[in-house]
Amino acid sequence: IAGITQAPTSQILAAGRRMTLRCTQDMRHNAMYWYRQDLGLGLRLIHYSNTAGTTGKGEVPDGYSVSRANTDDFPLTLASAVPSQTSVYFCASSPGGGSGTDTQYFGPGTRLTVL
Amino acid sequence: GESVGLHLPTLSVQEGDNSIINCAYSNSASDYFIWYKQESGKGPQFIIDIRSNMDKRQGQRVTVLLNKTVKHLSLQIAATQPGDSAVYFCAAPSGSARQLTFGSGTQLTVLP
Repeated sequence: IAGITQAPTSQILAAGRRMTLRCTQDMRHNAMYWYRQDLGLGLRLIHYSNTAGTTGKGEVPDGYSVSRANTDDFPLTLASAVPSQTSVYFCASSPGGGSGTDTQYFGPGTRLTVL
Repeated sequence: GESVGLHLPTLSVQEGDNSIINCAYSNSASDYFIWYKQESGKGPQFIIDIRSNMDKRQGQRVTVLLNKTVKHLSLQIAATQPGDSAVYFCAAPSGSARQLTFGSGTQLTVLP
C-alpha cells in the first residue's frame, strides 16, 4: 500500500539518549517534512527537504537533525533528548519541490516521551 | 511570515446539521490555503485547498470560502456525520521557502 510509514509508533526515552525516528515514503515524492505536534500549538515544522540531498530548517529545528540520502527516506535524529522534546512527531511528503502549494501527505506519527 | 489561526478551539454540532469552521490569516500576500482533518491518533489528512484567485471551492460535502478583504477563510461541511468528528486545521505557505504554517486547530464534535 502506497504511503508514508513511520517507526517506531511510540517510544519512551531517557533524557540524554540519542534517538532516530524513521520515515519512509514509496510515492517517489520529492519533498519531505518533519513536524511536531503539541497540545494547543498545532503542527510546527522542524526540518524539511525539497529534494534528495538537500535539507532546510523549519520553525523549531534546535535539537534535531535530518538527512536525505535518497528519495524515500528522511530520518529525524535527536542527538541528546530533553523532556521538552516530548511530543507527537509527524513525517509528511509532497510530490513537488516543496513550493508550499503541493498537497502534503502525512504519516501516522510517532509518540515520543522523554523522561 | 504568515500566521494562521482558528477562531474557535471547539465546535459541537448536531448530526445532520451544517458545520462552519473559521480561520483567519495575517499575510495579505498569501496565495494558497489548505484544510486538513485529523482524527484521533492519526496524521492530518488533506480535505480541500483553494488559491487566492478563487472565492469559493466545493468538494464532496465540503466548501471552502475565501474572503481576502478581511483575510478570512471558512470550511463548511454539509450534513455533518459522526465520521466528521476530528480536529480541523487551516494552513498556508509562508517564508521564503514557502513552507506550510498551520493554525492551532478546531475540534469538531458531532452530537447524535
